[in-house]
Amino acid sequence: ILNVEQSPQSLHVQEGDSTNFTCSFPSSNFYALHWYRWETAKSPEALFVMTLNGDEKKKGRISATLNTKEGYSYLYIKGSQPEDSATYLCAPRGYGGSQGNLIFGKGTKLSVKP
Amino acid sequence: DTGVSQDPRHKITKRGQNVTFRCDPISEHNRLYWYRQTLGQGPEFLTYFQNEAQLEKSRLLSDRFSAERPKGSFSTLEIQRTEQGDSAMYLCASSLGSGAGELFFGEGSRLTVL
Repeated sequence: ILNVEQSPQSLHVQEGDSTNFTCSFPSSNFYALHWYRWETAKSPEALFVMTLNGDEKKKGRISATLNTKEGYSYLYIKGSQPEDSATYLCAPRGYGGSQGNLIFGKGTKLSVKP
Repeated sequence: DTGVSQDPRHKITKRGQNVTFRCDPISEHNRLYWYRQTLGQGPEFLTYFQNEAQLEKSRLLSDRFSAERPKGSFSTLEIQRTEQGDSAMYLCASSLGSGAGELFFGEGSRLTVL
């Protein structure tokens, strides 16, 4: 069983707070790491696909970093807004020799209060 | 709307009945994936297709589950002799080509087995 850990499981912040989540995974056989945002009653939406050690990606107020040697990725949200409320999922790919599927963590559920 | 569409969005059935879900991927995408998500868990990989070929199937998937993608376009996921443990959200996603490309998800089909 592949072990993808996300922490914290849930997070409650005030509007304007900055926050970050962690995704950890065993570093062997790494191919890529995906981050998705899943809002209630909507479909999961890709945020980032990261492949290289040291990768940093940014989309608006959201950014992510990747460390493939130690097996972790951080997702940062600067100045959280209520519309950022969602479950954030990470998923390594190409794990255990398979490049055909993603192995998702349980996600971090973010709630941003106005 | 040219996104991934799934049908039906909700299905309630009695234990022992068969159910079938349909997924229409983004038209130019050659890869199609099925995932299952239960409460408190991340999406769990079931199977994926490249064009019409089913390239990988989860070992967790029982023989009651079967998926097809005739002609490499839409896909169906059938569950025979449903059990209460099959109650979940069934997600379909598609992607373009191989490599680390992001997945585009549908809104899912929620199954409730009574």
